[in-house]
Amino acid sequence: ETGVTQSPTHLIKTRGQQVTLRCSSQSGHNTVSWYQQALGQGPQFIFQYYREEENGRGNFPPRFSGLQFPNYSSELNVNALELDDSALYLCASTQYRTGNDEQYFGPGTRLTVT
Amino acid sequence: AQSVTQLDSQVPVFEEAPVELRCNYSSSVSVYLFWYVQYPNQGLQLLLKYLSGSTLVKGINGFEAEFNKSQTSFHLRKPSVHISDTAEYFCAVSDSTYGGSQGNLIFGKGTKLSVKP
Repeated sequence: ETGVTQSPTHLIKTRGQQVTLRCSSQSGHNTVSWYQQALGQGPQFIFQYYREEENGRGNFPPRFSGLQFPNYSSELNVNALELDDSALYLCASTQYRTGNDEQYFGPGTRLTVT
Repeated sequence: AQSVTQLDSQVPVFEEAPVELRCNYSSSVSVYLFWYVQYPNQGLQLLLKYLSGSTLVKGINGFEAEFNKSQTSFHLRKPSVHISDTAEYFCAVSDSTYGGSQGNLIFGKGTKLSVKP
């Protein structure tokens, strides 16, 4: 197991609501990336945070937003939930620009939108 | 734009048989390639990676992969599989735009490996 933790494990929301997912990165890591994994698909990159600033973004609308805190933990916020937002949300942490290239993934948060 | 194609969505195989999971990528820049494994209800675990150097890469759990630039492939192999290898396997390429091998990962759709006794 990696040292990356995510909460909650499962979540059920109604269309139109807002949700916040949380990720604690592995000790010593300063970069967090978020991915969305729809059923039967590979993960898709949402965005990455490095030193509390967005460091890259995938093809997701602005209602997907994030934060990174001074302790390098991170939040993913999704507003105006749609049915297609139902997915497993994964975060991954890494120590950026140190030559250690591995991204360590957490177990994910399963979001169901009804 | 970079992309990854995993040619088989499901691969059934008997225990102790060899297996190859196929992956092709498209990229116009230097590539960094990865294979991840996902067990049911778990996150992703890195099996192996190619960053540079030797084209034959050895990973954990007896897996290896060969980077073939001319064929733009990065197939995963294991000479003898176990029941415990049953899982979903994802090939990924790093979008070097955002910082070399630590940039965002572009994943294939996955291959479900089912090992039967």
